[in-house]
Amino acid sequence: AQSVAQPEDQVNVAEGNPLTVKCTYSVSGNPYLFWYVQYPNRGLQFLLKYITGDNLVKGSYGFEAEFNKSQTSFHLKKPSALVSDSALYFCAVSDNYGQNFVFGPGTRLSVLP
Amino acid sequence: DAEITQSPRHKITETGRQVTLACHQTWNHNNMFWYRQDLGHGLRLIHYSYGVQDTNKGEVSDGYSVSRSNTEDLPLTLESAASSQTSVYFCASSDGGRVYEQYFGPGTRLTVT
Repeated sequence: AQSVAQPEDQVNVAEGNPLTVKCTYSVSGNPYLFWYVQYPNRGLQFLLKYITGDNLVKGSYGFEAEFNKSQTSFHLKKPSALVSDSALYFCAVSDNYGQNFVFGPGTRLSVLP
Repeated sequence: DAEITQSPRHKITETGRQVTLACHQTWNHNNMFWYRQDLGHGLRLIHYSYGVQDTNKGEVSDGYSVSRSNTEDLPLTLESAASSQTSVYFCASSDGGRVYEQYFGPGTRLTVT
């Protein structure tokens, strides 16, 4: 069975600084990896995914994520954080075809002005 | 534009009552999912469906049921509501084909008193 860990409950970063939200996973077979963002009182919004190909994946709102197979990690990054990026971020893994999704516990990102 | 909607957005009910939460998607997706979100637990899968007449139990299915009579709808029923079922409920869908990510509805906040 697959699993996802997000080792940080909370990440604080100053506006304009780079940000990283960490995610590690465990899955048998090829991993399908996803990042979602949740703003207050809203549903989850899809940011980006890794299915195959380049290890650096670019997504919405200037976010990108780096897939590292040897470290079983899929960290979310952004070169310059905005206050509006403050939200709850979820990493997810699926084994095939997006059916068996497992979500991490979430990381709350606070970008300080 | 295609979308996924949930109703009601807020519901207060009494212990022991039957409650049904609606989920409707216009993406024509085969796969539909119900999750609950609780502090400290992230998102947990309740039930899911891979197509009409198909339903499957997720991680926390006790006390819940679903039925899939058409592609667009997957209603979630709480047979006899309990205070432990106070939560925010999210419906999601995915097409299970070349596009893997799940699309989420806005959520239903359910309070069981």
